[in-house]
Amino acid sequence: DIVMTQSPDSLAVSLGERATINCKSSQSVLYTSNKKNYLAWYQQKPGQPPKLLIYWASTRESGVPDRFSGSGSGTDFTLTISSLQAEDVAVYYCQQYYDAPYSFGQGTTLDFK
Amino acid sequence: EVQLVESGGGLVQPGGSLRLSCAASGFTFSTYWMHWVRQVPGKGLVWVSRINSDGSSTSYADSVKGRFTISRDNAKNTLYLQTSSLRAEDTAVYYCARYRLGFFADVWGKGTPVTVSS
Repeated sequence: DIVMTQSPDSLAVSLGERATINCKSSQSVLYTSNKKNYLAWYQQKPGQPPKLLIYWASTRESGVPDRFSGSGSGTDFTLTISSLQAEDVAVYYCQQYYDAPYSFGQGTTLDFK
Repeated sequence: EVQLVESGGGLVQPGGSLRLSCAASGFTFSTYWMHWVRQVPGKGLVWVSRINSDGSSTSYADSVKGRFTISRDNAKNTLYLQTSSLRAEDTAVYYCARYRLGFFADVWGKGTPVTVSS
């Protein structure tokens, strides 16, 4: 099974500053035949279901602000929020969809400094 | 409006069973893979199970294999999760999710809570 590990577990950033969340998979989630990384990022606010932000590691979902970006390949991935806004306070999860079980990272709590 | 609405959760004794349902609307349900994901309040997301678009292929987390069964009725636009031999550690909010291209969850329901306790 693929284990997803996020770092840090929690992060405090000032409004307008950059936030960076890392996600590492225990094996590569890069499918070599199509050169796609089978990794997604989700945002979850209290009392709400998760919301898709990024898929294929770097493709932003429609309607997601462009301050959110995803990068990385193989086993190491990053979600970056270029300028933190008030509404970005949430828990962020990565998930691999390379192989079942489609594991999530443990989550990173993002808050204001 | 694209929507998923879960139901069927509740309080059940250890060893008991529940059937969770997820009613889909606003999209062509029969063309999408569907998944169940659960979350203990205050904890992280845990993938539970998935089913392909015509119901011919399923997959489960090891923690529920042999106890949970995922199924769907495309005529009724409904996804199911039959749970049995429930344990305290199955207590969680259960979300159904639509997986675009079968890969990533672009639509989620609001969840249905399951509590396993005597």
